Amino acid sequence: DADVTQTPRNRITKTGKRIMLECSQTKGHDRMYWYRQDPGLGLRLIYYSFDVKDINKGEISDGYSVSRQAQAKFSLSLESAIPNQTALYFCATSPGGETQYFGPGTRLLVL
Amino acid sequence: AQSVAQPEDQVNVAEGNPLTVKCTYSVSGNPYLFWYVQYPNRGLQFLLKYITGDNLVKGSYGFEAEFNKSQTSFHLKKPSALVSDSALYFCAVTTSGNTGKLIFGQGTTLQVKP
Repeated sequence: DADVTQTPRNRITKTGKRIMLECSQTKGHDRMYWYRQDPGLGLRLIYYSFDVKDINKGEISDGYSVSRQAQAKFSLSLESAIPNQTALYFCATSPGGETQYFGPGTRLLVL
Repeated sequence: AQSVAQPEDQVNVAEGNPLTVKCTYSVSGNPYLFWYVQYPNRGLQFLLKYITGDNLVKGSYGFEAEFNKSQTSFHLKKPSALVSDSALYFCAVTTSGNTGKLIFGQGTTLQVKP
């Protein structure tokens, strides 16, 4: 969905490095989410934000932090990347508590 | 705790045959149920949802799903499969008291053979 963009689309980094994944949306939605996808595990929620001043931990927030710079922007940071953070990361938005709309994903490899 | 199970890692069907991708859930409260599809190297696309009302929900690309409260199931169906339906399908659930926090199943790969 072109209304939700993620950068970069692919990233290779080394253990211990700090990296940031960015998400932008033009849908005007208040709610934004970060998930990671691992084979056989589906998607798991890392952090979510219901508005600029509201940020909440999800199921697997350890090792991650987020910043909601504006209604349209929600960034995910890995403070010190480790190999088991290798995954496909998705950003999503929603206008309320129902349907979520996903970005194209960022494939991250931590060596 | 909320949970979703997709009991089949992969479903194989022949083109033109009906398909079913299974999903069962466990929640406290009234469920909001969703199906998403993921094509290779793409994000998740919304297919359909059940919030309330008619148990049979129709969605995109000819897909439909039936909500069965007694069996806590929300199986995805299509009367006639296409090769282009081959993808990874996710079922997800949240509740009216916990909206915004989707719990996903592990995904089912659908393979439609010509």
